[in-house]
Amino acid sequence: QVQLVESGGGLVKPGESLRLSCEGSGFTLSDFSMTWIRQGPGKGLEWVAYMSSSAADIYYADSVKGRFTISRDNGQNSLLLQMNSLRTEDTAVYYCARDRNSATIFEYWGQGTLVTVSS
Amino acid sequence: SYVLTQPPSVSVAPGETATITCGGNNIGSKTVHWYQQQKPGQAPVLVIYYDTDRPSRIPERFSGSNSGNTATLTISRVEAGDEADYYCQVWDSRSDHVVFGGGTKLAVL
Repeated sequence: QVQLVESGGGLVKPGESLRLSCEGSGFTLSDFSMTWIRQGPGKGLEWVAYMSSSAADIYYADSVKGRFTISRDNGQNSLLLQMNSLRTEDTAVYYCARDRNSATIFEYWGQGTLVTVSS
Repeated sequence: SYVLTQPPSVSVAPGETATITCGGNNIGSKTVHWYQQQKPGQAPVLVIYYDTDRPSRIPERFSGSNSGNTATLTISRVEAGDEADYYCQVWDSRSDHVVFGGGTKLAVL
């Protein structure tokens, strides 16, 4: 069955970097559009970044553009999120999600990984 | 940027019908998807997509509609297990951004 497992979260200081990974199983990740979504403490869902199956279309939320990079490791069947210049407001649980029909319908979600940015 | 507005909370008695709205400028011209999150920090679950479609594992009690400036998620014969946060979501083609509503906490009295 389809599974998504995020990893790489942790505690970092403002200005530092972190790389998140989302390993897919039960499907070939490069066949699907994939997305990162986050949820800050006590807050709602916030879209972070999107990558189409072809990787030709990549989009970022304004709040992370220029600091975060979404990519894929096809050999590891994984989605990546490189996060640089982290800020306290980036503190959140980060989820990866698989698209349905490349229509930004998030059919499968991972359990999330917590990123805490604090001095 | 495109904004989706949801009521912060909705309360309903067991067995009654819950209606959760999602407002947006001419949202009827977009396709709306809905997610249920039982607890913050738990993975959300898709409950309605393309305005009205239900994934096979979602009960028929869940339905959706979308017209004009309001999309609606309706939960009939509400059960205690439906108590959760619900989020609407669209794709904004003008900005190439995914947009989520602020979420609605459904309380089952």
